[in-house]
Amino acid sequence: KNEVEQSPQNLTAQEGEFITINCSYSVGISALHWLQQHPGGGIVSLFMLSSGKKKHGRLIATINIQEKHSSLHITASHPRDSAVYICAALTNTGNQFYFGTGTSLTVIP
Amino acid sequence: DAGVIQSPRHEVTEMGQEVTLRCKPISGHNSLFWYRQTMMRGLELLIYFNNNVPIDDSGMPEDRFSAKMPNASFSTLKIQPSEPRDSAVYFCASSLYWNTEAFFGQGTRLTVV
Repeated sequence: KNEVEQSPQNLTAQEGEFITINCSYSVGISALHWLQQHPGGGIVSLFMLSSGKKKHGRLIATINIQEKHSSLHITASHPRDSAVYICAALTNTGNQFYFGTGTSLTVIP
Repeated sequence: DAGVIQSPRHEVTEMGQEVTLRCKPISGHNSLFWYRQTMMRGLELLIYFNNNVPIDDSGMPEDRFSAKMPNASFSTLKIQPSEPRDSAVYFCASSLYWNTEAFFGQGTRLTVV
């Protein structure tokens, strides 16, 4: 069993739709990281959060520590949001990093 | 700041050769990470440094892999000898501290033939 599980693996949406990507983890964490990898391969850090909610533009990340679950939401999705979204858990013991396998998002005009 | 700078962007080498990947972190950042990404295994952390000191190298696959950080502005990841299964994209990232937001370089695409 992977320490970090993401769902869905693949997601296709129409432009303008509200999108949710989920991340569940089984380890104790100090923080959870959401990354975006563009089709060209570059990786961008979206959020690092350890509690509550963070918002940046059309992106919102939430985390529920008790349930060991985080979600990434995209409002009013746009084709340029098409990318792979990866969550990574930073453990609170041993300084370990665990990655989800990523969610491939395609937003169709 | 120009961000995290990796070189080369692409490397093609023959099996058995030594490969050295380079990374310049963002100035002022105290932590540096080396990752490997493949289709089969996704993104994996290989090693990370805090204040130039290797903290966790449990992700380094074999003794053929070694990483150094001689100073705060430079790190290398070396593979000797290289094998075809080492073919991957290698990312370097830096952050202010190990548990704060990380900034990624553009990656080095390594192909070992």
